[in-house]
Amino acid sequence: KAGVTQTPRYLIKTRGQQVTLSCSPISGHRSVSWYQQTPGQGLQFLFEYFSETQRNKGNFPGRFSGRQFSNSRSEMNVSTLELGDSALYLCASSLDDSYGYTFGSGTRLTVV
Amino acid sequence: EDQVTQSPEALRLQEGESSSLNCSYTVSGLRGLFWYRQDPGKGPEFLFTLYSAGEEKEKERLKATLTKKESFLHITAPKPEDSATYLCAVPYKISGNTGKLIFGQGTTLQVKP
Repeated sequence: KAGVTQTPRYLIKTRGQQVTLSCSPISGHRSVSWYQQTPGQGLQFLFEYFSETQRNKGNFPGRFSGRQFSNSRSEMNVSTLELGDSALYLCASSLDDSYGYTFGSGTRLTVV
Repeated sequence: EDQVTQSPEALRLQEGESSSLNCSYTVSGLRGLFWYRQDPGKGPEFLFTLYSAGEEKEKERLKATLTKKESFLHITAPKPEDSATYLCAVPYKISGNTGKLIFGQGTTLQVKP
């Protein structure tokens, strides 16, 4: 079966711009979580969506937001990009609340 | 908040040289411990879930074990294709029965032929 698909794979943006990343979960998975991975901080939780509702949110500024659609696809948006937002953004989907996540390959965002 | 610490940060082995990676954690009520493998430029790939002290799971050259305070990932006779970053993570409950995974910083393993 198809895995978690994230698009685009790579992005280069200028400081101050905004960006939208997309995630298509495994078919049937209703939970989608987003993580930011950087060399210094490792994997940090951004937020989790379930049935179009944000259930949990990590300690990130309000510039980071997301949403989930009725088909479980999810998007995350970062506004007013800063250099420190450069990271690998990972999406993970799960069938239920068991934390049995399957990760996508991520979107590599570079802010210049 | 729960914490996860992995050691060593980096490990270089010769092909066939067995070793172990460590993951220590502080949690209030363990709801499982996860091991992932991550190759450069890719997302973490699930390896194992352990739920209780004494539990062991194996997959090819990898064996994961769990005690009350730490987990070990034993690599027996590794091959160059085992080179990757190995991550461990524990669930942290935020609301209801849901939450997030708290990850360790990972151990980067390099296996030389």
